[in-house]
Amino acid sequence: GAGVSQSPSNKVTEKGKDVELRCDPISGHTALYWYRQRLGQGLEFLIYFQGNSAPDKSGLPSDRFSAERTGESVSTLTIQRTQQEDSAVYLCASSPSGGLDYGYTFGSGTRLTVV
Amino acid sequence: GENVEQHPSTLSVQEGDSAVIKCTYSDSASNYFPWYKQELGKGPQLIIDIRSNVGEKKDQRIAVTLNKTAKHFSLHITETQPEDSAVYFCAASKTDKLIFGTGTRLQVFP
Repeated sequence: GAGVSQSPSNKVTEKGKDVELRCDPISGHTALYWYRQRLGQGLEFLIYFQGNSAPDKSGLPSDRFSAERTGESVSTLTIQRTQQEDSAVYLCASSPSGGLDYGYTFGSGTRLTVV
Repeated sequence: GENVEQHPSTLSVQEGDSAVIKCTYSDSASNYFPWYKQELGKGPQLIIDIRSNVGEKKDQRIAVTLNKTAKHFSLHITETQPEDSAVYFCAASKTDKLIFGTGTRLQVFP
């Protein structure tokens, strides 16, 4: 596709349930990032994938959060046993390569509401 | 670790006036400083960026300045228009990722 695609665009889940968020990066982009944006706040780094290198998981807030990426394509962010504080917009971004030579292109995000 | 502070949190200007948003960063190793515009319900969009070997960059009505010694950089929008109304985020590089400021909500009144 022409841009970064995220699905679903909105997700409402009950506290304690698991959720999976999907990101399709721009074709050919080797770098993929997940960020969290709480209401009225900035973007909080979660995890970064670059090619076949081990991901940088330094931003994941707890062991309930995990992410995978299949080769240089789709990524899924999984949140287990969701809590109300997990409610946020989850943004995915991709870049042609690591090293920030080209900056990021963001998707429109998944708005997660935990009730 | 890298910390990016952004001011002001909200900014209201009259159409045609200029708007300035300022950011400071803490990591002297940061060398890439982009600015993003986020409209309601959309993801952030890159509007301009600057690297540490340059002090100023302009693109039509938008300019960014960087002072590496003082570790601050600013976004300048001239001749503001209602469609400039959005949330603006600055960011600074930390190795291979970006650390973002907390955002500035800009409102341009006609």
